[in-house]
Amino acid sequence: NAGVTQTPKFRILKIGQSMTLQCTQDMNHNYMYWYRQDPGMGLKLIYYSVGAGITDKGEVPNGYNVSRSTTEDFPLRLELAAPSQTSVYFCASSSGAGEAFFGQGTRLTVV
Amino acid sequence: AQSVTQLDSQVPVFEEAPVELRCNYSSSVSVYLFWYVQYPNQGLQLLLKYLSGSTLVESINGFEAEFNKSQTSFHLRKPSVHISDTAEYFCAVSSGGSYIPTFGRGTSLIVHP
Repeated sequence: NAGVTQTPKFRILKIGQSMTLQCTQDMNHNYMYWYRQDPGMGLKLIYYSVGAGITDKGEVPNGYNVSRSTTEDFPLRLELAAPSQTSVYFCASSSGAGEAFFGQGTRLTVV
Repeated sequence: AQSVTQLDSQVPVFEEAPVELRCNYSSSVSVYLFWYVQYPNQGLQLLLKYLSGSTLVESINGFEAEFNKSQTSFHLRKPSVHISDTAEYFCAVSSGGSYIPTFGRGTSLIVHP
């Protein structure tokens, strides 16, 4: 049972480049989330989705975009990478009121 | 709006000593409360959760937390810690049927031999 799978695990981007962080879950969860984790700041919600075709902004959405064309996939797009986007990114999913299941994270450095 | 405050950024403790990690939340509606643990270079894993019912919840590895509605708290306790408990601990709340967890800043538990 794979759970939540994120790729890549590590990435270095140059300022202005773009990339997509992939996230797939195999638990048929309706809810999916993208968080970023910065030292001492906890997890900040970037975007979330309550089902295929439905997405909404979280606390820190600027510089990011998402799509949810299927229940399983919830990719996060960075269009013009900036040093402020250097962070660890976590994708998670849940069935609702219960626990969220997290991927292993993507460590992104923008130079 | 919901929010979580973890009052301690770092808690050092000796092995076999008791520990309490504090968490307070703010929400105007009914809440679900969670503690997650994160080991180095890994994702978050659920430690325990309060959804309804008994206000005292326990994990399989000896941690417990008590939901206190009047004090809006959900503190995490363990009577005797082990070196392997060294990790980052996050308190989270979701409320009002939104099912969107809000996380605290985390508490680093450091267990010394």
